[in-house]
Amino acid sequence: AQSVTQPDIHITVSEGASLELRCNYSYGATPYLFWYVQSPGQGLQLLLKYFSGDTLVQGIKGFEAEFKRSQSSFNLRKPSVHWSDAAEYFCAVGPLGYALNFGKGTSLLVTP
Amino acid sequence: GAVVSQHPSRVICKSGTSVKIECRSLDFQATTMFWYRQFPKKSLMLMATSNEGSKATYEQGVEKDKFLINHASLTLSTLTVTSAHPEDSSFYICSASGGVIGEETQYFGPGTRLLVL
Repeated sequence: AQSVTQPDIHITVSEGASLELRCNYSYGATPYLFWYVQSPGQGLQLLLKYFSGDTLVQGIKGFEAEFKRSQSSFNLRKPSVHWSDAAEYFCAVGPLGYALNFGKGTSLLVTP
Repeated sequence: GAVVSQHPSRVICKSGTSVKIECRSLDFQATTMFWYRQFPKKSLMLMATSNEGSKATYEQGVEKDKFLINHASLTLSTLTVTSAHPEDSSFYICSASGGVIGEETQYFGPGTRLLVL
């Protein structure tokens, strides 16, 4: 069975500080991994995705994620957080063309 | 590219009435669309998978007669909440699967906030 765990429900960082959001997955085959961001009352925006190849994936808004098969992880990082990054972040895994299995999300708060 | 729209963005209705929500892929064709439901401060719960030209596949516990899904074209799927009740109030989000074959990605609509009085 496939599942996604986001261990941190809430994270608070200062503006300008670095950020890492954790994601661990359980998947029986080659995982296709995604990170989405959701602002309040909005839909989900794709930040980045991993299908194969280079394990360090670059996304939009300065985000990147690293796939580590040995740790079953796909952590999201950003070197310097902006106040506009405050949102809910979802990690997801799934086969191509099928529904995604989402983690419970991590709420990011950015302080001045 | 890869834009998905939903209409309406917000709807308030009386208990017992039906509400239709449209999901459109604006710049790509999607043979598969998905409908999710999201409760406050919760993750997304898959309700059903909608395939163009065929019946939707519902997840366990989702009433197919209550949540009618139609996927009549490659760019449009509709979700109709029939005889809505206050417990159906929620945030409904659709997604459409698109992109290069072998790299299909789900693109999400902005969501529809339903409030049943």
